[in-house]
Amino acid sequence: AQSVSQHNHHVILSEAASLELGCNYSYGGTVNLFWYVQYPGQHLQLLLKYFSGDPLVKGIKGFEAEFIKSKFSFNLRKPSVQWSDTAEYFCAVRDGGYQKVTFGIGTKLQVIP
Amino acid sequence: EAQVTQNPRYLITVTGKKLTVTCSQNMNHEYMSWYRQDPGLGLRQIYYSMNVEVTDKGDVPEGYKVSRKEKRNFPLILESPSPNQTSLYFCASSPKQGGNQPQHFGDGTRLSIL
Repeated sequence: AQSVSQHNHHVILSEAASLELGCNYSYGGTVNLFWYVQYPGQHLQLLLKYFSGDPLVKGIKGFEAEFIKSKFSFNLRKPSVQWSDTAEYFCAVRDGGYQKVTFGIGTKLQVIP
Repeated sequence: EAQVTQNPRYLITVTGKKLTVTCSQNMNHEYMSWYRQDPGLGLRQIYYSMNVEVTDKGDVPEGYKVSRKEKRNFPLILESPSPNQTSLYFCASSPKQGGNQPQHFGDGTRLSIL
C-alpha cells in the first residue's frame, strides 16, 4: 500500500523567508507525484507535478519541487514566500497502474507580513 | 468553462436519512474520485472510478456507495449517514492517460450529520 508523510504540519514564516516542505512517500512501483495548494475556503489547485524526466520541477507562483528517488522524497520549495502564500499544502502520490491516489495530511503555512 | 460541480455545497441532516451528493464534470474525463477532508487527516480517498461502470474502493469506503452510469456524473451515496461521516467532501476528475494527470477538484460539500 502506498503512503505519504508530510513532516511539517504547521509552519509559520515571515515574508521573504525561504520555504521547504517535506514529503516522503512509500510505494514500490511507478509513481506520479503532485503538490496541491488549498487557499482558505477554496478547493485544491495543482501547484506542480512530477512523472518523469528532470527531477527538478517548476510550478506556478515560483514554487518548485525536487524528486529524489533514492530518498523517496518530493520536497516543495520557494525561495521567498509572500503573505498570499498562506494556505494548506498537500503532497499526493498517484500510482501508475491502479490510479489510486494518496494524499499527505497537509501542511498549514502561515506567512506573517 | 472546465469545471467539476458538486451539489449541495452545504447540508445538515440527521442520522439514518439517506442522502446523495452529486458530482458532474464537463471535461469528458474518464477518471473521477471522491475524497473526504478531516482536520489532521488530510484528504482520504473514498471511491474512484476509471470509467463508466468501473468503480473501486479507496482508503475509506465504509458507509458510502457510488455509481458511474454516465461519464460525466459520479454521485456519492450515504445510505444511512452517521455522525462520523460529518466532513468536507471533494469530488475530482482527471483524464485517464496513465497516472500523470492532475485532478480537477470541485468546490466541496460540507456535510453535517446530527
